[in-house]
Amino acid sequence: EAGVVQSPRYKIIEKKQPVAFWCNPISGHNTLYWYLQNLGQGPELLIRYENEEAVDDSQLPKDRFSAERLKGVDSTLKIQPAELGDSAVYLCASTPRGSHEQYFGPGTRLTVT
Amino acid sequence: QQQVKQSPQSLIVQKGGISIINCAYENTAFDYFPWYQQFPGKGPALLIAIRPDVSEKKEGRFTISFNKSAKQFSLHIMDSQPGDSATYFCAGRNAGNMLTFGGGTRLMVKP
Repeated sequence: EAGVVQSPRYKIIEKKQPVAFWCNPISGHNTLYWYLQNLGQGPELLIRYENEEAVDDSQLPKDRFSAERLKGVDSTLKIQPAELGDSAVYLCASTPRGSHEQYFGPGTRLTVT
Repeated sequence: QQQVKQSPQSLIVQKGGISIINCAYENTAFDYFPWYQQFPGKGPALLIAIRPDVSEKKEGRFTISFNKSAKQFSLHIMDSQPGDSATYFCAGRNAGNMLTFGGGTRLMVKP
């Protein structure tokens, strides 16, 4: 079974530029999460989807961050415009219906210069 | 507010030794306490987990000890191996399956 797929794996952009990350969860997983992981720290939840509905986005900085999960399958996280402090790893995770275990993808490492 | 505090930040253990990582939590609404293992360039992977009505859980060389009254739990890795070298995160989960992670412990097991 394929795991959570994320792309790109690495991204370097200049500040004020837009950037987008893509996540394809494990097939059949209805819950999808986006996390932010700063260097040397634990992941912090940004947003959680149940199917196509964002059920918790309280930690998402909505002035510059946006996310969507059309059709309840893959998801895109966007930052516009990016700031230096956005440099981090962006992790996607998914959970199948009826389970609590979160399966993480490898992440996208963003560097803003 | 850091709801899960993890220590130490880094740990060096000799091969065959015992690795011990400690966590303390504040949110009494947490109902599940997983430990994740993360290798460089990879996402975290679930290692072992415990519910608060159990004081200890063992899976192979990995054991979680849980003290509900003290709001503390720990991971013990017996017979530590170089392949165990990774970053370990404890977490607490609330009813909405939302995880709050500790700050992580970077473990190095020396051959």
